[in-house]
Amino acid sequence: QQQVKQSPQSLIVQKGGISIINCAYENTAFDYFPWYQQFPGKGPALLIAIRPDVSEKKEGRFTISFNKSAKQFSLHIMDSQPGDSATYFCAASGSTSGTYKYIFGTGTRLKVLA
Amino acid sequence: NAGVTQTPKFRILKIGQSMTLQCTQDMNHNYMYWYRQDPGMGLKLIYYSVGAGITDKGEVPNGYNVSRSTTEDFPLRLELAAPSQTSVYFCASSYSLDRGHGYTFGSGTRLTVV
Repeated sequence: QQQVKQSPQSLIVQKGGISIINCAYENTAFDYFPWYQQFPGKGPALLIAIRPDVSEKKEGRFTISFNKSAKQFSLHIMDSQPGDSATYFCAASGSTSGTYKYIFGTGTRLKVLA
Repeated sequence: NAGVTQTPKFRILKIGQSMTLQCTQDMNHNYMYWYRQDPGMGLKLIYYSVGAGITDKGEVPNGYNVSRSTTEDFPLRLELAAPSQTSVYFCASSYSLDRGHGYTFGSGTRLTVV
């Protein structure tokens, strides 16, 4: 119940294309869903996050879509650029239930071809 | 604005040796975490702390110890290093787990045990 399942493990997209990464969870106590971006040799950095009271959140070319009934959420990267090539992690947390830590997905390595 | 600082950046240990990975943050965050990142395996929580003097085990605590004597510092101790502890270790801190704060990660320590 504490797992967050992420897919695909790797993704190759042409420049200008749409990158889509999916995550699924089981614990209904989770109420905060961030995405992290990690470049090689660096620590992950917060990219965008969503709470389950909205179905979509957009920041620039990055959009989170959230489906509460299906317990799924996804990251869409529009007009993907070579500079977006990185590893992306989804995560979930349930701060209102007293947990103080994120559960991370296994990561998706994205490569955007020029 | 240093954020989360980890030292050393790289280390090679021999089997059976011990070492301490240092982590310090200057953001006055209460929550601090240690993760290890193995290739293709995502981020696994080792230990975490919700404040000075309070620590708790994560998913993979065996072979590690932590202490939290101050708000700023959260060192990770490896006793009797084993090849299975070869990994990249990330320290993170947070003010809150939601409302856009998220985690701030350090740049990592790459540890090889030979």
